[in-house]
Amino acid sequence: DAKTTQPNSMESNEEEPVHLPCNHSTISGTDYIHWYRQLPSQGPEYVIHGLTSNVNNRMASLAIAEDRKSSTLILHRATLRDAAVYYCILNGPDHYGQNFVFGPGTRLSVLP
Amino acid sequence: EAEVAQSPRYKITEKSQAVAFWCDPISGHATLYWYRQILGQGPELLVQFQDESVVDDSQLPKDRFSAERLKGVDSTLKIQPAELGDSAMYLCASSHRVSKNIQYFGAGTRLSVL
Repeated sequence: DAKTTQPNSMESNEEEPVHLPCNHSTISGTDYIHWYRQLPSQGPEYVIHGLTSNVNNRMASLAIAEDRKSSTLILHRATLRDAAVYYCILNGPDHYGQNFVFGPGTRLSVLP
Repeated sequence: EAEVAQSPRYKITEKSQAVAFWCDPISGHATLYWYRQILGQGPELLVQFQDESVVDDSQLPKDRFSAERLKGVDSTLKIQPAELGDSAMYLCASSHRVSKNIQYFGAGTRLSVL
């Protein structure tokens, strides 16, 4: 499986934008880029995913580099509820479903 | 909103005892996953079901762990005998046959082996 590299931790102020980076230099042409987050004492939850083009949804935006070797998850206005561990995961298409390999992720702290 | 249900939320057991965890996925989700998460690490896949069939159990310690999904709906993960190193969070997730990119996770069962 292709590997991702994320900073161990990041800090942000409330109501400011947050850019969470992810490097994936060994990504293959068919790998999707997924982001999940895990709030304290909860299971991970889906945030966003994409293949080549930038993606937006109600939670966040995903900016994918032109060479696809890196991506950035953008939270437009951080709230205290966004404090969580954010995981960047790569996976290719699979007949049965996505077999995710989670790394340690980035722990985001949001300061009031 | 539909959720993945897991029980119990917490389980304390002594080593060499048997433990079992239960998961009820979102209705209609064909794919079910069991993950183990050690404190400070990301979840690690133990077993993946498509309907009632196991499609990936390469990371499941088969000498002590077993998983079943007999009718292709709810699932049970069992450990027998439990060891100290099994202390972790056990997470269940499910995904729809069509929207495979989105996995929905339950809140997990936190296991402590004494």
